[in-house]
Amino acid sequence: SQQGEEDPQALSIQEGENATMNCSYKTSINNLQWYRQNSGRGLVHLILIRSNEREKHSGRLRVTLDTSKKSSSLLITASRAADTASYFCATDALGNNDMRFGAGTRLTVKP
Amino acid sequence: DGGITQSPKYLFRKEGQNVTLSCEQNLNHDAMYWYRQDPGQGLRLIYYSQIVNDFQKGDIAEGYSVSREKKESFPLTVTSAQKNPTAFYLCASTRQANTGELFFGEGSRLTVL
Repeated sequence: SQQGEEDPQALSIQEGENATMNCSYKTSINNLQWYRQNSGRGLVHLILIRSNEREKHSGRLRVTLDTSKKSSSLLITASRAADTASYFCATDALGNNDMRFGAGTRLTVKP
Repeated sequence: DGGITQSPKYLFRKEGQNVTLSCEQNLNHDAMYWYRQDPGQGLRLIYYSQIVNDFQKGDIAEGYSVSREKKESFPLTVTSAQKNPTAFYLCASTRQANTGELFFGEGSRLTVL
């Protein structure tokens, strides 16, 4: 079963705007990660946030984690056309050694 | 350069045939994973392995088999028992399970004719 669920399923914005994607999950986790996938390619790791962290930044990316609500958000600021891709959250549940992904958010940034 | 390599990139199969997808990594990672991705969908876990000669079923293992005879290699066989094998298959590895980011290959696209 998929652990994470992203919303929205699709998001279309203009270049320069911010994009926010959300992820909800079901069980307690060790870490939550965000990945990016260009069409037909493998996934690329963006950022990892541990269960005892609440916020993390990396360049134009900002991730928040609310373990009480079992949810996370990914904010991409000042978006660019090159940010067009699918974004997935992934979690590894406590006591498990696997990694499960959500269905993803398809982001389109129009130039 | 270190990385994870999947082959072939595209594969066509007739119904009733088994096919094996290759996944090799030179990152010295202990843990390796196979995922299946259908169009517009997320990734579903097929099998994973934390160490050589050991592997566990994921959520959709039926119709698939794996082996982990070497640390570097984690091949996936799609058997004729898999009823709907047409999909994009992704292999990933990480240093140790639950320790950090997954490194992905570029995927293998399997089409059953």
